[in-house]
Amino acid sequence: GPKVLQIPSHQIIDMGQMVTLNCDPVSNHLYFYWYKQILGQQMEFLVNFYNGKVMEKSKLFKDQFSVERPDGSYFTLKIQPTALEDSAVYFCASSWDWGASQNTLYFGAGTRLSVL
Amino acid sequence: GQQVKQSSPSLTVQEGGISILNCDYENDMFDYFAWYKKYPDNSPTLLISVRSNVDKREDGRLTVFLNKSGKHFSLHITASQPEDTAVYLCAAGGTGGNNKLTFGQGTVLSVIP
Repeated sequence: GPKVLQIPSHQIIDMGQMVTLNCDPVSNHLYFYWYKQILGQQMEFLVNFYNGKVMEKSKLFKDQFSVERPDGSYFTLKIQPTALEDSAVYFCASSWDWGASQNTLYFGAGTRLSVL
Repeated sequence: GQQVKQSSPSLTVQEGGISILNCDYENDMFDYFAWYKKYPDNSPTLLISVRSNVDKREDGRLTVFLNKSGKHFSLHITASQPEDTAVYLCAAGGTGGNNKLTFGQGTVLSVIP
């Protein structure tokens, strides 16, 4: 089936540094998402993105976070600067169209971010 | 508070038995309900979903039941097999027609031979 690829699978970074998480979405998809899962908790919605713009973001999407898809390929989540509480698994997802009831979200396997 | 809850963190079922996974939700504006399956270090994958205008949907060994008045939905897996062993995540969404899903914490299903 369609695949969403996330690179790398694990990233370790010192607090205060910048990190960019990369996502290669399904090729013909137009809508992109990031979810965050802290250890032992559920996956939580961070942000969705379409046509170069953030459509909706949650309270977890701090000012230090930004998303873009600069060259039409990778969809990225940048955190600058990182904080200890940013340690989590970040899941990328994509869908072809808008509206949960009509369109399946395809998820990547996640990038585990460890902030030291 | 948690808008979508899976009260059982784990479930163990004998091979060939029926696995019943439960999910409760709070937001009565949700109109889309889904179950995802996740293996360790793999992506969550959609198993089955329903919209709020139906109360049951079957797909092979999988059946999802929706009880809107009780704000509850469940996944039944018949003839459970060892390869069904995984984490099962329930999710709800669709309010306002958007794609924002709210997930439960997951139930670890173990099917033992």
